[in-house]
Amino acid sequence: SQTIHQWPATLVQPVGSPLSLECTVEGTSNPNLYWYRQAAGRGLQLLFYSVGIGQISSEVPQNLSASRPQDRQFILSSKKLLLSDSGFYLCAWQTGIGNQPQHFGDGTRLSIL
Amino acid sequence: AQKVTQAQTEISVVEKEDVTLDCVYETRDTTYYLFWYKQPPSGELVFLIRRNSFDEQNEISGRYSWNFQKSTSSFNFTITASQVVDSAVYFCALRLNSNSGYALNFGKGTSLLVTP
Repeated sequence: SQTIHQWPATLVQPVGSPLSLECTVEGTSNPNLYWYRQAAGRGLQLLFYSVGIGQISSEVPQNLSASRPQDRQFILSSKKLLLSDSGFYLCAWQTGIGNQPQHFGDGTRLSIL
Repeated sequence: AQKVTQAQTEISVVEKEDVTLDCVYETRDTTYYLFWYKQPPSGELVFLIRRNSFDEQNEISGRYSWNFQKSTSSFNFTITASQVVDSAVYFCALRLNSNSGYALNFGKGTSLLVTP
């Protein structure tokens, strides 16, 4: 069966510091991968998605970037965090078949001080 | 353009009551998929159901049922005999067949509180 791992679970960072969140998927090949952010107020905002190694699509221009160095690894990064980057970050995968749902990791709670 | 509206921000019910969560969507595409997810207090999103635009059959799974009506662009979710464990935020989401990467467009969610 497929599993998705996301870490760390919680993170407290000062403004201006770098960020690296990692997500890995097991049990499937060539998945579509996604990063979402959920700010206070619950709405889910798609940040990035990837349909293959090295292929990143950005949905919202911002202070963040994403990379996919391996088939089942998706990394969310920032060189300098802003206060507005606080939120709950969720990674998700999908098989690449259109009618299949996305499956989510447990999320990372990021607090910027 | 595509949009998902969950007009109910918060709902509070007493255990054993039935509750319906509304979802209205907008799209000009003829092929699309609708989803419901549950987000318990722990934070992870749990997939509940998928429905494609060509399948208007209602579905029942235990205490959960879904009513898809293309005529009103709605995909409502009913919990029968609610339980405290149903307390969560529920999201409705839309995927167009034409969406790059099969990206989902989520509604803002409905927070359901079930009290004993």
